[in-house]
Amino acid sequence: GNSVTQMEGPVTLSEEAFLTINCTYTATGYPSLFWYVQYPGEGLQLLLKATKADDKGSNKGFEATYRKETTSFHLEKGSVQVSDSAVYFCALTLNRDDKIIFGKGTRLHILP
Amino acid sequence: DTAVSQTPKYLVTQMGNDKSIKCEQNLGHDTMYWYKQDSKKFLKIMFSYNNKELIINETVPNRFSPKSPDKAHLNLHINSLELGDSAVYFCASSQRAEAFFGQGTRLTVV
Repeated sequence: GNSVTQMEGPVTLSEEAFLTINCTYTATGYPSLFWYVQYPGEGLQLLLKATKADDKGSNKGFEATYRKETTSFHLEKGSVQVSDSAVYFCALTLNRDDKIIFGKGTRLHILP
Repeated sequence: DTAVSQTPKYLVTQMGNDKSIKCEQNLGHDTMYWYKQDSKKFLKIMFSYNNKELIINETVPNRFSPKSPDKAHLNLHINSLELGDSAVYFCASSQRAEAFFGQGTRLTVV
C-alpha cells in the first residue's frame, strides 16, 4: 500500500541550528510529495511541495528534494528560529483528487 | 476571508449525545475531507467527498455520518458520542492535490 514514514519526534534544537526531518514513502505509482506545518492551535498549512523526481520545493527557508531513487523527501532548514516550533507532516498523494496520506508528524521545538 | 471554515471551534458534550460540526469552503474546490487528529497528533482520514459524492470512507464507526448539501459544504454528524471520540476534527478541501485545512474543532466528550 501507499504510506509515509517520518522520523519520530520530538526534535529539540537551539535557535540557528541546522534542521533535518527525514521522510520516506512507499507508493504504487508516481506520487506528489508535500510538507505541511501545523502551528499550535491551528490547522495544517502547506509548507512546500514537489510533483516529480528531482524537483526541489522551498518556502520560508525550508527545502525538500524529491528523491525517487531513495524514495525520500527530507525537510531541511539551514538556521531554525523559535517561530519554526510546530508539528511537521510529510504527505503524498497519487492522483489529483485522491486522498492525501500523511506521516505521523514530527514535533519540532526550538529553544531560544 | 477564511478559505475553509468550520464551526464550532470547541465542543464539549456528554457521552451519548448527538452533535454536528459544520464545514464550508469558499475556494471552489471539488474535493473535501474530514480528518481526525488524536492526542499524539496523528492524522487519520475519515471521509472524502468529490462534488457532493462520497469517494473515501475509511474504517469509521457508522455513528459518524457526513453530509454534503453542496460542494462547498461538508458537515459531520456524530451520534451517541463516546469518550474515545474526543479529538480534534479537521475539515479540508483540495484542488490538484494541495489541501487547505480549517482551524479544527476540538471535541471533548465527558
